Amino acid sequence: KQEVTQIPAALSVPEGENLVLNCSFTDSAIYNLQWFRQDPGKGLTSLLLIQSSQREQTSGRLNASLDKSSGRSTLYIAASQPGDSATYLCAVPDSSASKIIFGSGTRLSIRP
Amino acid sequence: GAGVSQSPSNKVTEKGKDVELRCDPISGHTALYWYRQSLGQGLEFLIYFQGNSAPDKSGLPSDRFSAERTGGSVSTLTIQRTQQEDSAVYLCASSLGTAEETQYFGPGTRLLVL
Repeated sequence: KQEVTQIPAALSVPEGENLVLNCSFTDSAIYNLQWFRQDPGKGLTSLLLIQSSQREQTSGRLNASLDKSSGRSTLYIAASQPGDSATYLCAVPDSSASKIIFGSGTRLSIRP
Repeated sequence: GAGVSQSPSNKVTEKGKDVELRCDPISGHTALYWYRQSLGQGLEFLIYFQGNSAPDKSGLPSDRFSAERTGGSVSTLTIQRTQQEDSAVYLCASSLGTAEETQYFGPGTRLLVL
């Protein structure tokens, strides 16, 4: 059974710092991995989707990497801004491709 | 184009009443998913539709929960005889095909059972 873990659960850094969020999964036979952002009281916004054949994806100040063999993904945020404050979740499809399994999220706070 | 929409955005109900939550997926998306997020908890899968059929209902927490999808589009999630532990945010998502493609989420329905 696939399990997804995110560390740390919460992170607070001053504005301008570069930071890394971690995601690990137990079953390396994944089709892809998706990173989402959730603002308080809001739904989820897809940030990046990395296919299993890819090593990384970039979108603006965000860079996500994937190492299937070790069961890890990282989300790198460059030059953080207060507007980046949110909960970040990673997720992978389960083996039946009928749902995605979410990590519990990292709650990020960027201090001005 | 329009994203996934859900209604109502908020619902307060009394214990024991039935509620219906609605999801309008992105046009052309054949796959539709319902998730639940309880306060301070992660996302819990409820049910998956491919077209109008639900090949995976494994996440429905009890027989008080049911869902249907008509015309390969709109879906309703019904909770009968609501209990206080049903209070949560109910999120709907859609994707072009299976869960192996990008899922797009609606804003959610916040349900409070008094």
